[in-house]
Amino acid sequence: DGGITQSPKYLFRKEGQNVTLSCEQNLNHDAMYWYRQDPGQGLRLIYYSQIVNDFQKGDIAEGYSVSREKKESFPLTVTSAQKNPTAFYLCASSGRDHRVHFGNGTRLTVT
Amino acid sequence: DAKTTQPPSMDCAEGRAANLPCNHSTISGNEYVYWYRQIHSQGPQYIIHGLKNNETNEMASLIITEDRKSSTLILPHATLRDTAVYYCIVRVGGINTGTASKLTFGTGTRLQVTL
Repeated sequence: DGGITQSPKYLFRKEGQNVTLSCEQNLNHDAMYWYRQDPGQGLRLIYYSQIVNDFQKGDIAEGYSVSREKKESFPLTVTSAQKNPTAFYLCASSGRDHRVHFGNGTRLTVT
Repeated sequence: DAKTTQPPSMDCAEGRAANLPCNHSTISGNEYVYWYRQIHSQGPQYIIHGLKNNETNEMASLIITEDRKSSTLILPHATLRDTAVYYCIVRVGGINTGTASKLTFGTGTRLQVTL
């Protein structure tokens, strides 16, 4: 069954620690994305990648880093420089028809 | 990408049609209208998209005005499972444009379907 897998669903970290969120897709999509969602808000784009070994900053990239070493994988690292890391993080991918497919998210809590 | 305006919330009785409006008065000629919905604590789900003709699929219908400045998503027979936040998004689209499908989300319309 094709789709996007984000793990874990819930993640807890102490302030000052870096944390990496996993995103894997088996849809053979070239483009992948990371969005952040805060309560009652829409999604905001953090980073996106159009192809392996290439990625661009989105609207709120500060305090985050990504890598795209494989087509299937686009991990997001939330660094200690991110001032408000607690949020719902959504990974997505898209192919030639430009329909964006989303995972079911990771809810990160930093205390 | 053009900005959209949606009402913050709407109610609909189960079994009735839900008509969700979206204003996109600054839409450009090469921008498509996309609709997604997000059920609580899940990722958004694609519903439908269109350029200028009305579109229908198994989930919904999309009606776009002739001047393309507004559109309406229609869920013909709403059920309790349709309760969600619905996002209207306009973006440069189409197949093989060679650009990533960056979507700019507003706050959407929270649709509550009731018995």
